[in-house]
Amino acid sequence: GQNIDQPTEMTATEGAIVQINCTYQTSGFNGLFWYQQHAGEAPTFLSYNVLDGLEEKGRFSSFLSRSKGYSYLLLKELQMKDSASYLCAVRSSGGSYIPTFGRGTSLIVHP
Amino acid sequence: DGGITQSPKYLFRKEGQNVTLSCEQNLNHDAMYWYRQDPGQGLRLIYYSQIVNDFQKGDIAEGYSVSREKKESFPLTVTSAQKNPTAFYLCATDTRDSNQPQHFGDGTRLSIL
Repeated sequence: GQNIDQPTEMTATEGAIVQINCTYQTSGFNGLFWYQQHAGEAPTFLSYNVLDGLEEKGRFSSFLSRSKGYSYLLLKELQMKDSASYLCAVRSSGGSYIPTFGRGTSLIVHP
Repeated sequence: DGGITQSPKYLFRKEGQNVTLSCEQNLNHDAMYWYRQDPGQGLRLIYYSQIVNDFQKGDIAEGYSVSREKKESFPLTVTSAQKNPTAFYLCATDTRDSNQPQHFGDGTRLSIL
């Protein structure tokens, strides 16, 4: 089976840095995605990792350690508009390429 | 403008009624998916289709049905057998390349009257 764990909720202050963790146990690994979802809206793609290391995109970075089954999303210079749910999704290798989603982490940014 | 269109945005179902949610895409993507999202539950896969005239059950297919008669369209029917249909339903597509993300529609919120 597949299991993906994320914290349910996090809070942070505007201008600060926050790290959202994701741990996974899957039958094989073929890439990890992070999405942002504002309440009542569609998820939007943030980042993709398939090799170990850090991927940086502006204020957002994502890290992957395949040996540890671990990823994190780092958000810098937090803004109020970053208040949203952040979804971790993993594609397993083998017959099915269908991604499995974690339950999402609700981030609340306060002034 | 390429994208995924879900309709309606809000839908109400009466007891014993079947309702159909529409999902249309013009991204020319092969694969289409239906997810259900409940508060605090993340996205759960209902059905998916990798090619026209073929579809597979996801993790929570009971009480739902789909068809894929055209590449552009993947409607989802919520049948009366689904006893707890109140949720946010998301349609997604992708190219089936493992390094490409899914693209999502804006969702349909279904409620019971």
